[in-house]
Amino acid sequence: QKEVEQDPGPLSVPEGAIVSLNCTYSNSAFQYFMWYRQYSRKGPELLMYTYSSGNKEDGRFTAQVDKSSKYISLFIRDSQPSDSATYLCAGRNTGFQKLVFGTGTRLLVSP
Amino acid sequence: DTGVSQDPRHKITKRGQNVTFRCDPISEHNRLYWYRQTLGQGPEFLTYFQNEAQLEKSRLLSDRFSAERPKGSFSTLEIQRTEQGDSAMYLCASSLVRQGSEQYFGPGTRLTVT
Repeated sequence: QKEVEQDPGPLSVPEGAIVSLNCTYSNSAFQYFMWYRQYSRKGPELLMYTYSSGNKEDGRFTAQVDKSSKYISLFIRDSQPSDSATYLCAGRNTGFQKLVFGTGTRLLVSP
Repeated sequence: DTGVSQDPRHKITKRGQNVTFRCDPISEHNRLYWYRQTLGQGPEFLTYFQNEAQLEKSRLLSDRFSAERPKGSFSTLEIQRTEQGDSAMYLCASSLVRQGSEQYFGPGTRLTVT
């Protein structure tokens, strides 16, 4: 079993939809959680970064972490075709630097 | 552009050849990381440096792989006697030395071993 699990998709939505992307993880020591966006053949771009459980909002993006259920979510409001990319979630232990990534979910937003 | 830079962006090599990649981190970042990403997978951690010191290495980093950061600035990753299974995107990231600091990635070097 992988430490971080993601549905690879693709997830297809129409422009303007609310998108929900999810991950589960198994390592209860994870304290830091990230979402990265990766366009084809590019490096990952940091979108959201959260510590422990709770919500964090930045523009159209909201990240949620529920440590009791080991569940991480990213919500995208008013989705745009330019949001079409692969979204990677990752977790990290306190005191360690290694990020553990999921496989990524491919999102397609159609105009 | 003050982000992480990597060179070359693409490398095609024949099996058995040695290759070397370079990473230049964000200028004030003391930590530098190497990851590998294969098609359809998320990045996998290889190793990281704090200044010149290599502090952690993954079991993925076989003895054919060596990474250096001689002056605590740029880093190189060398793969000796390349194999077809080494074909992947090699990603570099950097961060500040601070509890919970974020890692910022470069554009990657895509290696194809023929």
